[in-house]
Amino acid sequence: KAGVTQTPRYLIKTRGQQVTLSCSPISGHRSVSWYQQTPGQGLQFLFEYFSETQRNKGNFPGRFSGRQFSNSRSEMNVSTLELGDSALYLCASSHYYEQYFGPGTRLTVT
Amino acid sequence: AQSVTQPDIHITVSEGASLELRCNYSYGATPYLFWYVQSPGQGLQLLLKYFSGDTLVQGIKGFEAEFKRSQSSFNLRKPSVHWSDAAEYFCAAYNTDKLIFGTGTRLQVFP
Repeated sequence: KAGVTQTPRYLIKTRGQQVTLSCSPISGHRSVSWYQQTPGQGLQFLFEYFSETQRNKGNFPGRFSGRQFSNSRSEMNVSTLELGDSALYLCASSHYYEQYFGPGTRLTVT
Repeated sequence: AQSVTQPDIHITVSEGASLELRCNYSYGATPYLFWYVQSPGQGLQLLLKYFSGDTLVQGIKGFEAEFKRSQSSFNLRKPSVHWSDAAEYFCAAYNTDKLIFGTGTRLQVFP
């Protein structure tokens, strides 16, 4: 089975812009979660989608949003980018309680 | 609040030496527990998991972990470390559809 794929792998944006990241889960997995990883805050949960519905959301501002499509692919969007949004964004697809992570998208905001 | 603690930020071992990485959790009930490894610039790879039952669990790459309820711990061990094990290791607990991660332990291996 192919693993979790994330596109793009690297992204450079300017403050105030918006960005969309994409995640394709492992075939058959219906749950997709997103995490933000930074040196200062570590790994923090953003949100989780199951069957196109957001089931859980972390403590992030409304500028962070996401969605899931009928084929379980997911996107996350960050609007009005700030310097502090520079991070590695990880997507994970789940089978029951086991989460399998993609390689991440490295976002740099300048 | 529910939390996962990894007391050691950085550990250095010699190749061939044994390894133990510590993890403590703070939860009302026993959560589902995991260890992940992350190489530089990469995502997280699942090493092993504990849901219930046998408290000693085996994982990939020769790793094992022992769940101790009395100590609220889930320590990761390997009898003989290889240079390729150098990476960052994260302990995590699953709760209400999300993983709560510890802050990670960076492992350095000397030849």
